[in-house]
Amino acid sequence: EADIYQTPRYLVIGTGKKITLECSQTMGHDKMYWYQQDPGMELHLIHYSYGVNSTEKGDLSSESTVSRIRTEHFPLTLESARPSHTSQYLCASSEGVLEQYFGPGTRLTVT
Amino acid sequence: GNSVTQMEGPVTLSEEAFLTINCTYTATGYPSLFWYVQYPGEGLQLLLKATKADDKGSNKGFEATYRKETTSFHLEKGSVQVSDSAVYFCALTKWAQAGTALIFGKGTTLSVSS
Repeated sequence: EADIYQTPRYLVIGTGKKITLECSQTMGHDKMYWYQQDPGMELHLIHYSYGVNSTEKGDLSSESTVSRIRTEHFPLTLESARPSHTSQYLCASSEGVLEQYFGPGTRLTVT
Repeated sequence: GNSVTQMEGPVTLSEEAFLTINCTYTATGYPSLFWYVQYPGEGLQLLLKATKADDKGSNKGFEATYRKETTSFHLEKGSVQVSDSAVYFCALTKWAQAGTALIFGKGTTLSVSS
């Protein structure tokens, strides 16, 4: 069974606040990913990492940043949240080039 | 570049009806193909996959066959249940630099009523 965790599950925060979305996996996977899911359910890759100290931007430009200091941890940070950042954020990990395992997601609302 | 097109939803069916969700793709090379399912309030789960032409992926009564000649990977189930109500995503591998990510279709919402 996949073990990938995201916290918080829901977050409502005011404009201008700094936030960090946590993502952890216990499977020892090298590859990790962040997706943004819009209200129409479409998924967009915003960040990925192939290992410790490796991070890359995805297809959709995002003002968020990520870090990968430990294999199991891949947090996403927004320095100054805005209403346009309101979305669902999904974290995933994979071992090889096939199956990605997804966390339950964080639903972020910026007021 | 690689892309996925899935039929738009919502798809509304009665229990025990036959389900088809169409998915076609554009890709260079030979991508692997996937169907993921997202139940309400949850993340995505892999439903089935196929890694080469003519492969058939199957799981929980769902099936899809990798058709290179028609660049398709349509999802089918012979008899849907209320518990199958979810959003279904077709996806393919995108080779990028030293690794890979997935490219997803826009998702198709399935609603099954009893």
